[in-house]
Amino acid sequence: GQQVMQIPQYQHVQEGEDFTTYCNSSTTLSNIQWYKQRPGGHPVFLIQLVKSGEVKKQKRLTFQFGEAKKNSSLHITATQTTDVGTYFCAGPPAGNNRKLIWGLGTSLAVNP
Amino acid sequence: DAMVIQNPRYQVTQFGKPVTLSCSQTLNHNVMYWYQQKSSQAPKLLFHYYDKDFNNEADTPDNFQSRRPNTSFCFLDIRSPGLGDAAMYLCATSRVGDTQYFGPGTRLTVL
Repeated sequence: GQQVMQIPQYQHVQEGEDFTTYCNSSTTLSNIQWYKQRPGGHPVFLIQLVKSGEVKKQKRLTFQFGEAKKNSSLHITATQTTDVGTYFCAGPPAGNNRKLIWGLGTSLAVNP
Repeated sequence: DAMVIQNPRYQVTQFGKPVTLSCSQTLNHNVMYWYQQKSSQAPKLLFHYYDKDFNNEADTPDNFQSRRPNTSFCFLDIRSPGLGDAAMYLCATSRVGDTQYFGPGTRLTVL
């Protein structure tokens, strides 16, 4: 079936180090969305990328959408303790835009 | 502020005792979703409504039902909760194909 792999599952970094999580879909996605979920919280939308090869930045966060619209990455420069949480990628498969296929998430822990 | 509201935030029920969780939205989105999320897992879609059109996921147990009486409200009914149904239940809304906005969730405990 359609699935989105996300790696790594867990990442533990020292504050100030960089962090990257990768998503790889088994099917072409109409867009890729990234969500952050803090411990005990609910997923919060971060960004959506639509175009093949698109790159977007939000302060220390850089998001990329692959040329084939099947993979994506989120890179955080100089992590801070406020970056702690689980980062999920998700996207609607091409031809079915009503629901999202979710990655399993990458849990980020940051040591101060 | 426009938002997605879920009530209650915490629900404790007994094994087999029916429970209803509610979700309301002020975003006027035509799609509403119910997810189940267990610890350290991704949200798992149970079903969604596109306007009044109900769409059940193939692996959603019959124990879970939903109602959407109008655009703003959606309910999740668990007819006979089992211990395995203890989880966070998340409601989300969106325009079709657009980003999803989540409510704060209802944490269900089954005794």
